[in-house]
Amino acid sequence: KQEVTQIPAALSVPEGENLVLNCSFTDSAIYNLQWFRQDPGKGLTSLLLIQSSQREQTSGRLNASLDKSSGRSTLYIAASQPGDSATYLCAVIGVYGQNFVFGPGTRLSVLP
Amino acid sequence: NAGVTQTPKFQVLKTGQSMTLQCAQDMNHEYMSWYRQDPGMGLRLIHYSVGAGITDQGEVPNGYNVSRSTTEDFPLRLLSAAPSQTSVYFCASSETGYYGYTFGSGTRLTVV
Repeated sequence: KQEVTQIPAALSVPEGENLVLNCSFTDSAIYNLQWFRQDPGKGLTSLLLIQSSQREQTSGRLNASLDKSSGRSTLYIAASQPGDSATYLCAVIGVYGQNFVFGPGTRLSVLP
Repeated sequence: NAGVTQTPKFQVLKTGQSMTLQCAQDMNHEYMSWYRQDPGMGLRLIHYSVGAGITDQGEVPNGYNVSRSTTEDFPLRLLSAAPSQTSVYFCASSETGYYGYTFGSGTRLTVV
């Protein structure tokens, strides 16, 4: 059974810092991995999707990497801003299933 | 605006009551799914559907029922509400089940 964990559970940083969020998964037979953002009381917004054959994806100040063999992904946020404050969720889809397995999330606070 | 619409946004039920959470999408997506989100546990799959007339169980299906009579709608029924079903419920849809997920804004359910 696939399990996804995220470290740290919560993170508070001053504005302008570069930061890394970590995601680990136990079964490397994944189809893709996605990072989502969730604002309080809101739904999920997809940030980046990495195919199993890819090593990284970039969108603006966000960069996500994938090391499938070791079961790890990182989300790098450059020059953090207070507007980046949210919960970040990592989720994988296995090669044999069309359903997400989510991690518990990292709650990020960027202080002005 | 195209997307996934969930109703109601908030609901309080008494133990033993039944209710239906509504989910509708206007993107002609074949794949729809229901997740619940509990503190510290991420989102967990309840039920999913790969097309009208086809449904299957996810990780935590007990106490919930679904049907898919049309492509657009995928309601989730709570048969006899229990306090353990207090959670935030998200509906999602996708064209293929692997990419391009759209999530609804969620239904916050409290069972007392």
